Amino acid sequence: DAGITQSPRHKVTETGTPVTLRCHQTENHRYMYWYRQDPGHGLRLIHYSYGVKDTDKGEVSDGYSVSRSKTEDFLLTLESATSSQTSVYFCAISGPAGLNTEAFFGQGTRLTVV
Amino acid sequence: AQSVAQPEDQVNVAEGNPLTVKCTYSVSGNPYLFWYVQYPNRGLQFLLKYITGDNLVKGSYGFEAEFNKSQTSFHLKKPSALVSDSALYFCAVRDTGTNAGKSTFGDGTTLTVKP
Repeated sequence: DAGITQSPRHKVTETGTPVTLRCHQTENHRYMYWYRQDPGHGLRLIHYSYGVKDTDKGEVSDGYSVSRSKTEDFLLTLESATSSQTSVYFCAISGPAGLNTEAFFGQGTRLTVV
Repeated sequence: AQSVAQPEDQVNVAEGNPLTVKCTYSVSGNPYLFWYVQYPNRGLQFLLKYITGDNLVKGSYGFEAEFNKSQTSFHLKKPSALVSDSALYFCAVRDTGTNAGKSTFGDGTTLTVKP
């Protein structure tokens, strides 16, 4: 398995609280992604990064922010959690070429907002 | 904009029979196409990809897929299904005209192989 670790693996939080999910890679890949997986919606891209401090929005970025201060770490923050953000979150990495290389996925973080 | 459609939510086959999981795509440029598999409570695992060259691509676990540019399709196939192939399958596309290697995923197809 590719060296990619998500933490925490499970989290329950209350509505309105901030939450940060961490993705750590040991592959030195350039590209990192955060997706959410919901029944009937497949995987939807939240944010992605194409280098340290280089990030951009995906298709469902509202209510989320990201930071990448080091190549190996990509943080996803839910600024004020809502019940609609209850989901399974996956981090993925790809590279070094990016476009023609497959993605490697973490094990996922199951987040429940109550 | 790029998009992927997996027209079947569920595919059921008997063990030993051939299986097909369908995928169609839309891109403005040329596509890079991928298939991934997800087992329960796991992340997605890469199966195979089409980048260029031969339209028939072979991947892990005996799976293959055929790129058809005129039909904008990339169907996943296996000649003889196993019960252990039962899982959730995702097709994904990247438009070579975009940056950052963003992939768009289909909604997934649940494959059930019955003994």
